[in-house]
Amino acid sequence: DARVTQTPRHKVTEMGQEVTMRCQPILGHNTVFWYRQTMMQGLELLAYFRNRAPLDDSGMPKDRFSAEMPDATLATLKIQPSEPRDSAVYFCASGKAPGLAGGETQYFGPGTRLLVL
Amino acid sequence: AQKVTQAQTEISVVEKEDVTLDCVYETRDTTYYLFWYKQPPSGELVFLIRRNSFDEQNEISGRYSWNFQKSTSSFNFTITASQVVDSAVYFCALRGVLFGNEKLTFGTGTRLTIIP
Repeated sequence: DARVTQTPRHKVTEMGQEVTMRCQPILGHNTVFWYRQTMMQGLELLAYFRNRAPLDDSGMPKDRFSAEMPDATLATLKIQPSEPRDSAVYFCASGKAPGLAGGETQYFGPGTRLLVL
Repeated sequence: AQKVTQAQTEISVVEKEDVTLDCVYETRDTTYYLFWYKQPPSGELVFLIRRNSFDEQNEISGRYSWNFQKSTSSFNFTITASQVVDSAVYFCALRGVLFGNEKLTFGTGTRLTIIP
């Protein structure tokens, strides 16, 4: 049963520290999304990639957040420096290429629960 | 701009009762996709169903059924004979099909509690 994996599952850090979250998309999926879930804003897109190239990162605070795909099996989301307002659950999702059967569906990982003190 | 409204913030029903979760959406796209996801207490987001805007046929999967009404921009979800394991937050979501417009726009979710 193919799944999106995310590490770490939980992270507690202090304000000002760098945080790196990792995601392994489902094998064969070429589109990767990063979402953030907070009580106030709900679920919102931060960025997404296709074939490792960023297509939309307009939802991401540019000054402290960065997202990359070093290779097809790894996506990273970094926050530097972290702030208490970054506390949230960060979800990675992956999907097939558009046009393929089921390519419209995004499958989510278990999330990284981040707490910045 | 796309928008999804789930007016029911919380619903509680007694086990074995039927329950319907409402979802109303707004989009200017002529082609789009609608989804329901389940978020159980463990926190993951579980895909339940996808429906494209050309397909208004209702769907049934076991105790779950979905009613898509394009005329009223609604995509409602019914659980028949609810069980305690159905307790979760349910999200309705919408996405476009155009290149660069593939993000999911989520509703605020409905927290469903099934009382034993």
